[in-house]
Amino acid sequence: NAGVMQNPRHLVRRRGQEARLRCSPMKGHSHVYWYRQLPEEGLKFMVYLQKENIIDESGMPKERFSAEFPKEGPSILRIQQVVRGDSAAYFCASSLLDSYTEAFFGQGTRLTVV
Amino acid sequence: EDKVVQSPLSLVVHEGDTVTLNCSYEVTNFRSLLWYKQEKKAPTFLFMLTSSGIEKKSGRLSSILDKKELFSILNITATQTGDSAVYLCAVEETSGSRLTFGEGTQLTVNP
Repeated sequence: NAGVMQNPRHLVRRRGQEARLRCSPMKGHSHVYWYRQLPEEGLKFMVYLQKENIIDESGMPKERFSAEFPKEGPSILRIQQVVRGDSAAYFCASSLLDSYTEAFFGQGTRLTVV
Repeated sequence: EDKVVQSPLSLVVHEGDTVTLNCSYEVTNFRSLLWYKQEKKAPTFLFMLTSSGIEKKSGRLSSILDKKELFSILNITATQTGDSAVYLCAVEETSGSRLTFGEGTQLTVNP
């Protein structure tokens, strides 16, 4: 059973481009959480999704950011018109239940905006 | 707003030393407190604590929670260079939606 898979591991985008970050949860996990880690800061919650539903997006910036977790396929975090301040490590975690008991984090995607 | 504060932010020790990492929190609807180890990649789970006074132990690592005073400690005995990492403390709310993380303690163990 592979762990939580995130790709790409590293992503470089120019200002104004779109970034798409993918997260494949562990097999059987239907709960996905996205976090952002800015340089020299702790992880900050962004969004919590279950299959086809956004449960809590209170940590998502109001503009340019969106997330989805379709019935089939990975969860996607999409950032439109990226700016330098979006440069960060983006981690996702997945769990079997609606709690962090037995939740596992992926290796993260490091986004650099140039 | 929920808040988690870790101390110290940075710690340098020699192999064999014992370290204590601190985590205090203010959370409206507490469900659990979790400790993670992060070595420049995925945070890896160490402990989940839900009840006061019950020590969780795994090898040289142990942790305990005090829900009255709202803090937890993580102890590492006989430290090794492989323990060098950032140790993250996080608190889970009853909704199960989010973890609120502290800034982490950067531990460096020198040979």
